[in-house]
Amino acid sequence: GIQVEQSPPDLILQEGANSTLRCNFSDSVNNLQWFHQNPWGQLINLFYIPSGTKQNGRLSATTVATERYSLLYISSSQTTDSGVYFCAVSPGDMRFGAGTRLTVKP
Amino acid sequence: GAGVSQSPSNKVTEKGKDVELRCDPISGHTALYWYRQSLGQGLEFLIYFQGNSAPDKSGLPSDRFSAERTGGSVSTLTIQRTQQEDSAVYLCASSLVGPPSDYNEQFFGPGTRLTVL
Repeated sequence: GIQVEQSPPDLILQEGANSTLRCNFSDSVNNLQWFHQNPWGQLINLFYIPSGTKQNGRLSATTVATERYSLLYISSSQTTDSGVYFCAVSPGDMRFGAGTRLTVKP
Repeated sequence: GAGVSQSPSNKVTEKGKDVELRCDPISGHTALYWYRQSLGQGLEFLIYFQGNSAPDKSGLPSDRFSAERTGGSVSTLTIQRTQQEDSAVYLCASSLVGPPSDYNEQFFGPGTRLTVL
């Protein structure tokens, strides 16, 4: 089955810093989503981005489907950005990466 | 409702008991998915329903796990003879349409935290 690898596994930032999270996947996909799992466990949809670039406030994402990777950019990080960021892909059921645990310190 | 809802939010049971977890998808969504997240881990796909088609059960870990979806809406995940390794958060998601559609953005419920003693 399709493999999804996220890097880095852990990231600690000072408030105000920028960061880039990466998601590599092993096969063609027609769905790619980025989620933020908050400390209460809720998965929040960030981007639906099987290809191209999208921006939403301080967050943006780029997927290069032909090269099988996606990047999530977080600018001017805030403490509320802390949590786990998951990339998930599917041609069918959704396959999740192991996540990047982000800690933003004040 | 406005989002995916799940009940109960927490369930504590004794080893060997059966449990039922409920998912109410977003109104109008035809596809419904169940996932499991063990402590500190990513999400593991369990089962997927698309409309009236036979479900994709390829992710169910054993025959103690089953799910049904009545009337194309509410779904129940049943775990029989629970084991301690079944302890996890069980998450449900729905999407407007399902694979192989090119657009099947999934929206998740808050999950049910299952603890098997």
